[in-house]
Amino acid sequence: EEQLLESGGGLVQPGGSLRLSCAASGFTFSNYAMSWVRQAPGKGLEWVSGIIATGGSIKYADSAKGRFTISRAKNTLYLQMNSLRAEDAAIYYCAKHGESHFYSKMDVWGQGTPVTVSS
Amino acid sequence: DIQMTQSPSSLSASVGDRVSITCQASQDIRNYLNWYQQKPGKAPKLLIYDGANLEKGVPSRFSASGSATDFTFTISSLQPEDIATYYCQQYDNVPLTFGGGTTVEIK
Repeated sequence: EEQLLESGGGLVQPGGSLRLSCAASGFTFSNYAMSWVRQAPGKGLEWVSGIIATGGSIKYADSAKGRFTISRAKNTLYLQMNSLRAEDAAIYYCAKHGESHFYSKMDVWGQGTPVTVSS
Repeated sequence: DIQMTQSPSSLSASVGDRVSITCQASQDIRNYLNWYQQKPGKAPKLLIYDGANLEKGVPSRFSASGSATDFTFTISSLQPEDIATYYCQQYDNVPLTFGGGTTVEIK
């Protein structure tokens, strides 16, 4: 069974940093693009960042550019988040794409990890 | 960025009713559209991909159609377990963008 398990969320002060991880199992991780999608409390879904299967192309939403860094290694996806703001508070989901590139369905999702930004 | 506009934002229907949700893209996205279901406290789940293709294991009462800028998602006979928020999402261009969501309730 294809599974994703996020970890690393928690409470951080404004301006602080956090590193999220997403452990993949049940599929050949290196064959698929991966994305991070977040959901602020009571709000809709927002795509944050994606990385293609080879890692050779990375994209960010404007809200994440210059502050967040996506990476992948072995069977794990990462999101390094720096200079965190109150508006970054959300549940962060990792999602597997159906192809090696971003332009495809997101067919497997993790359960999410919550990030709270507060002093 | 491509804007995705969903309507209605919420609806209430009876069990067995036919329910439809529309999604409009701000520019032509061909058929590069997915539909997701999100139940309270849970992760999104893919229902429909490439505009109209049913994901494996998804009940056939769910369907979708459309191309270019106008898309429709339909539940042919609403069931109690379909209570959720539904999102459309385009993948024609990065950033990938979602509609605002439609919350479906039972009347």
